[in-house]
Formats: sequence, C-alpha cells, structure tokens
Amino acid sequence: EVQLVESGGGVVRPGGSLRLSCAASGFTFDDYAMSWVRQAPGKGLEWVSGINWNGGITYYEDSVKGRFIISRDNAKNSLYLQMNSLTVEDTALYYCARIGVVVAAKGWFDPWGQGTLVTVSS
Amino acid sequence: EVVMTQSPATLSLSPGERVTLSCRASQSVSSNLAWSQQKPGQAPRLLIHSASIRATGTPARFSGSGSGTEFTLTISSLQSEDFAVYYCQQYDNWPLTFGQGTKVEI
Repeated sequence: EVQLVESGGGVVRPGGSLRLSCAASGFTFDDYAMSWVRQAPGKGLEWVSGINWNGGITYYEDSVKGRFIISRDNAKNSLYLQMNSLTVEDTALYYCARIGVVVAAKGWFDPWGQGTLVTVSS
Repeated sequence: EVVMTQSPATLSLSPGERVTLSCRASQSVSSNLAWSQQKPGQAPRLLIHSASIRATGTPARFSGSGSGTEFTLTISSLQSEDFAVYYCQQYDNWPLTFGQGTKVEI
C-alpha cells in the first residue's frame, strides 16, 4: 500500500523554524517527484514547494521562496521541508503529496499524506 | 501564475441529482487539469487527472471534460458519500495552482 506519513508539526513563535518530514512507503520513492501542499484553517489548498526525483531541482511558491527549503533523502525514502522565518500566515496543515507520474516534475497529486499541523503564534 | 476559478462556491443538492462543477483557468493549461475531493477532516483524494481520466478507484459516476481554459466535473447521480469539497488543480505551469473549491452540500 502506498503511504505517506508526515511529522514534525507543532507550535512555533513568529520568526522561528520548524522541519517537517514525510516518510514514504509502498512505492519506489526515487521514481517520483514530490511536493508539499498546505491548507490554512478553513481555507483551500495551496501548493508550497516541489522537488524532482533526485533532489536536483526544486520549486517554490513565491511567498516561501528564500524561507523554506525542500529536500529529500532517497536512501531513507523521506521528504523534508525546512521552514525558517515563520509568520502567522504560514499556519496551516501541511500535506506531503506524490506527483502522480513517474519522473515528471509536474503533475497531479496522488496520494496525499494525512498532514501535520503547523501553528505560528506568539 | 495561472489563476483557477471554480464555480459555484457552494451547491446545495439532494442525493440522486446530477451535478456539474466548473473550473476556469486564466490561461490555457491544455489538458493538464486534475480534480480532487476532500471530505471534512480528511486529506484530499485524487478523482480525475488529465482533465478526463478517472483515477484508480474513482466511481464511474464521476466524469471530467474540457481542455484549454474551461473544465467540468460531472457527478451523474449524487450519492451520500459525495458530499464534500471539490478542487481543480492545474499542473501545466509553475507554480502549481488550485481553484478555491466548490462545496457540495445537502
């Protein structure tokens, strides 16, 4: 069974940092690009960042560029999101998602993890 | 950035009804369009990709159509488990973008 399990969320002060992790199983992890997508409380979905299959190419939404860093460790079947200089606007449920097409950097998201909650509050 | 606009924001319907949800892109995204369903307290689930291809496990009552800038998700006969929020998402251009969602409620 294909599975994505996020961890690392929590409460952090504005300006603080947090590192999210996503453990993948049930598929050949290094065949696929991966992404992080977030959802603020009561709001819609927002793509945050993506990474190609080998970690050589990364992509960011403008509001997180320069603050967030996406990375992966294919040997550990894991995806990461290092979040720095956090603001209250970053408060959201963060989902890890696989791009649905082998090798392609862009695509639909399938499957999604259950998410990890990040709360930025003073 | 490609802006995705979904309409309507909310639909109030009854089981058995036929439903049509719309999604419009601010520029052509070819057929690089997906639909996902999200139920309360759950992660989104892929329904349709490539504008019209049902994902594994998607019931046949769901169908997608369109290309370019205009897309439609149709549910032929609403079931109780279909009451949820539906999002369209384009993957033709960076950044990947979602519509704001359409809530289908009783």
